[in-house]
Amino acid sequence: EVQLVESGGVVVQPGGSLRLSCAASGFTFDDYAMHWVRQAPGKGLEWVSLITLDGGSTYYADSVRGRFTISRDSSKNSLYLQMNSLRVEDTALYYCTKDRDSGVYSDLLDYWGQGTLVTVSS
Amino acid sequence: DIVMTQSPDSLAVSLGERATINCKSSQSVLYSSNNKNYLAWYQQKPGQPPKLLIYWASTRESGVPDRFSGSGSGTDFTLTITSLQAEDVAVYYCQQYYRTPATFGQGTKLEIK
Repeated sequence: EVQLVESGGVVVQPGGSLRLSCAASGFTFDDYAMHWVRQAPGKGLEWVSLITLDGGSTYYADSVRGRFTISRDSSKNSLYLQMNSLRVEDTALYYCTKDRDSGVYSDLLDYWGQGTLVTVSS
Repeated sequence: DIVMTQSPDSLAVSLGERATINCKSSQSVLYSSNNKNYLAWYQQKPGQPPKLLIYWASTRESGVPDRFSGSGSGTDFTLTITSLQAEDVAVYYCQQYYRTPATFGQGTKLEIK
């Protein structure tokens, strides 16, 4: 059974930093690209970032590029999101998601974690 | 970025009746080389993460009831739920995966009338 378990969400002040983690199990982690998607309270879904299966390429939404860094550790079957220079508008539930296709990423998301809540507030 | 626009924003349908949700993309998501539409539908129930329902515009994900169907091509798509059940109350999102960044519609809230 595929499981994605996020952690690391807390209340942080504007300008602060935070690192989210996602522990993956139930599939061959090294075979799939991984994504972060966020959802502000009461709002819709916003794709945040993508990392290819080998970690060789990363992509970001314009809203977070230059502030967020996605990474992965195959030895720990884990995905990460380093978040710097946080803004109030980054407040959201952050989901770790798995790309449906093994190999080349498709941006089709077949498994989602329960999410971890990041609140940016003074 | 490709902009996805859903209609309506909310919908109330009686149990056993049909629900129809529309999704329009700002540019075609049909890839001519394989004749596939890079369009997916997700269901998000209250307090839960989204669940993939349909991809390639009309292919149901494993385990999804056949009362859910998708149709359309190019820029205009439809999610249809025939014979609405109480457990179908949710917000439904369309998403294009034709081009990174993946983008979602604003969501359609489906309720029971």
